[in-house]
Amino acid sequence: QLQLQESGPGLVKPSETLSLTCTVSGGSIISSSYYWGWIRQPPGKGLEWIGNIYYTGSTYYNPSLKSRVTMSIDTSQSQFSLNLSSVTAADTAVYFCARLGAGGYSSGWYDYWGQGTLITVSS
Amino acid sequence: HSALTQPASVSGSPGQSITISCTGTSSDVGAYNYVSWYQQHPGKAPKLMIYEVSNRPSGVPDRFSGSKSGNTASLTISGLQAEDEADYYCSSYTTSTTRVFGGGTKLTVL
Repeated sequence: QLQLQESGPGLVKPSETLSLTCTVSGGSIISSSYYWGWIRQPPGKGLEWIGNIYYTGSTYYNPSLKSRVTMSIDTSQSQFSLNLSSVTAADTAVYFCARLGAGGYSSGWYDYWGQGTLITVSS
Repeated sequence: HSALTQPASVSGSPGQSITISCTGTSSDVGAYNYVSWYQQHPGKAPKLMIYEVSNRPSGVPDRFSGSKSGNTASLTISGLQAEDEADYYCSSYTTSTTRVFGGGTKLTVL
């Protein structure tokens, strides 16, 4: 059974860079069928798409976050990562990693999710 | 792309049917049959319920169904059960090669 697990600092200071890693187990991160993604959810609010990455390293980002977001992938460690720079209190959220399932990037759907990790931006 | 528009809340009694709408534009929902729906219980990760407008993943009860007309997609739950009480989110691929979620709908089973 595929599992995804987010890991990160929990607390980040304003203006600093938020760094999260998602570890994939129970399946291969190298697949022509899947993309890997990040979605966040501010407390009490809805889901926001952050972006997706392919095992080759190609990326798609939310235009509203694009100037601050960088995603990377380490296939040898079965991990993919999110860096979000210049964070503010508005970036406080639960961050989920997820697999964009078979169907290709355009038609894909998020079929496996991590449990989510709360990141708080505060001094 | 702005968030897709969903009603903030819907409610129904056990055994009844409810429908949650998800309205977008000709650049997202209306452009492709690439709409998916997710169920989220408090404190949990979202769970895929419907993909490509109307397809159910293995394990999702057939009480859940999806459809689309023009720029609006819909999720229908028939034979409501207490465990269906949750937040529901739609999502769509867009012509800008991005993805967008709806604002979410809180389903209350009375």
